[in-house]
Amino acid sequence: GDSVTQMEGPVTLSEEAFLTINCTYTATGYPSLFWYVQYPGEGLQLLLKATKADDKGSNKGFEATYRKETTSFHLEKGSVQVSDSAVYFCALNAGNQFYFGTGTSLTVIP
Amino acid sequence: NAGVTQTPKFRVLKTGQSMTLLCAQDMNHEYMYWYRQDPGMGLRLIHYSVGEGTTAKGEVPDGYNVSRLKKQNFLLGLESAAPSQTSVYFCASKRTEETQYFGPGTRLLVL
Repeated sequence: GDSVTQMEGPVTLSEEAFLTINCTYTATGYPSLFWYVQYPGEGLQLLLKATKADDKGSNKGFEATYRKETTSFHLEKGSVQVSDSAVYFCALNAGNQFYFGTGTSLTVIP
Repeated sequence: NAGVTQTPKFRVLKTGQSMTLLCAQDMNHEYMYWYRQDPGMGLRLIHYSVGEGTTAKGEVPDGYNVSRLKKQNFLLGLESAAPSQTSVYFCASKRTEETQYFGPGTRLLVL
């Protein structure tokens, strides 16, 4: 069945460091791919998305490229800030359902 | 425009008690979803609805029932709560071909 495998955390980085969070997926067909962010005590918020192969989603300095050949959608940011500390979820949309990864906790220290 | 709201925010139940969680959205969205979030498990889909009067099972439906009598509301019921249902429950909604919008969550503790 459809699924998402996400890099396990927690991840701790210093401010201005480069961030990569790996995400790979398994799906029949051509899903849309998403990254969501969850701040403490809140619901999930969409960070970025891509709907077809080779699309690049971007928002707030974060980027991810839909790679069909490697079935991946890795999240990257060139210079993280303390305010980026949160849990990040990779997800795919197949038909009427969404499948989420287990989440990666990121802590950015000054 | 309140978006997606969930009631209650927090609840403690004893094993065997029943309760209903309410999700409401004011964005005229067709699709609504109920998820549970557990440590190390990410979000898992319980039930979803593609429109008023329709419901369907997700990945982990056992022990839960749902109803979508009005387009703006999606109710999640626990008929006989079990400790394994201790979790954080999130509701989400969307239009066709669009992104989900999530509510703030309901923390449920079953003793």
